[in-house]
Amino acid sequence: NAGVMQNPRHLVRRRGQEARLRCSPMKGHSHVYWYRQLPEEGLKFMVYLQKENIIDESGMPKERFSAEFPKEGPSILRIQQVVRGDSAAYFCASQISAGGTYEQYFGPGTRLTVT
Amino acid sequence: AQTVTQSQPEMSVQEAETVTLSCTYDTSESDYYLFWYKQPPSRQMILVIRQEAYKQQNATENRFSVNFQKAAKSFSLKISDSQLGDAAMYFCAYRWNNNNDMRFGAGTRLTVKP
Repeated sequence: NAGVMQNPRHLVRRRGQEARLRCSPMKGHSHVYWYRQLPEEGLKFMVYLQKENIIDESGMPKERFSAEFPKEGPSILRIQQVVRGDSAAYFCASQISAGGTYEQYFGPGTRLTVT
Repeated sequence: AQTVTQSQPEMSVQEAETVTLSCTYDTSESDYYLFWYKQPPSRQMILVIRQEAYKQQNATENRFSVNFQKAAKSFSLKISDSQLGDAAMYFCAYRWNNNNDMRFGAGTRLTVKP
């Protein structure tokens, strides 16, 4: 059973471009979380999705950021018109079902650099 | 609000010795989970150990053990017989049973000296 997959592992974008980060959860997992890690900091929650639904986006900036988890295919975190402050590592984690009982499994992260 | 505090930005330990990493948290909930994650230079987040708040017994995983003091809201990680491969950032995390996300501390960078 493959783990959580994220691609690309490294992404470089110029200011104003769009960044698309992909996350494929573990097989059988229908819950996906996105976290952002700024340099020398811990992970910060951004958004929680189930298939075709955004459950909690309280940690995601209101503008330029969006996330989806379609019925088929990976979850996508999209950042429009990137700025230097968006440079960070973005991690997704998947979980088999809702609730704190279940473990979140993390992907290897995507390191976004905005030049 | 639930917050997690790691007061030691950096720690070092001699190979084969024991080191303890500190973590405190703030919550008004009674049912929650606590975690320690390791992040090596590869940046992969690796679960080290997990503690359910309702369990009084401290969790143990091989050389890793915790000292969970619920009343004091303290959750320290002890690494025994430290190995060079233990060198990494260590993050303490909290998760309320009914919440959707995990709250992470700022991390402690552990160096292991040969």
